[in-house]
Amino acid sequence: NAGVTQTPKFQVLKTGQSMTLQCAQDMNHEYMSWYRQDPGMGLRLIHYSVGAGITDQGEVPNGYNVSRSTTEDFPLRLLSAAPSQTSVYFCASSYGVVTEAFFGQGTRLTVV
Amino acid sequence: AQTVTQSQPEMSVQEAETVTLSCTYDTSESDYYLFWYKQPPSRQMILVIRQEAYKQQNATENRFSVNFQKAAKSFSLKISDSQLGDAAMYFCAYRSSYSGAGSYQLTFGKGTKLSVIP
Repeated sequence: NAGVTQTPKFQVLKTGQSMTLQCAQDMNHEYMSWYRQDPGMGLRLIHYSVGAGITDQGEVPNGYNVSRSTTEDFPLRLLSAAPSQTSVYFCASSYGVVTEAFFGQGTRLTVV
Repeated sequence: AQTVTQSQPEMSVQEAETVTLSCTYDTSESDYYLFWYKQPPSRQMILVIRQEAYKQQNATENRFSVNFQKAAKSFSLKISDSQLGDAAMYFCAYRSSYSGAGSYQLTFGKGTKLSVIP
């Protein structure tokens, strides 16, 4: 059982480049979300999805785009990378409101 | 909106001793869930313990227990018999129990870095 798989684990981008962070889960979870973790800030919600075809914005959505075409996958797109997007990104999934969230191993992104 | 506050950015404990990490939260809801997550240097987020607000009994998981004070909106984590492997960042998190839009998201505190001294 792989759980939540994020790729890549590390990435360096130049300002203005675009890229997609991949997230896949094999637990048939309805809910998936993306968080970013910055030093001294905890984890903050970027975007989330309550099922295939349904997404919504979280606390810090600017500069990011998401889509959910399948239950399993929830990619996060950086449209035009900026140094302020240097962070560690986590994908998480859960079966429902009352259950725990399972996290991927994170992606450390550096924008230069 | 809910907020979660961890007032101790760093703490240290002697191996085999007991340490308590503090967490307070602000909410107008009566039913919700609280969690403690551990993040070791590997970066993986690991669930340590969870508490349902409607349960008066404090949750326990082996050496980990919580002191949940609903009226005071306090949710502290006690680690007994501390081990070197307990060294990590610890995050307190809140989740609403209502199923409205966005309600299932986790709201995190800023974390407490725990060091364990041999």
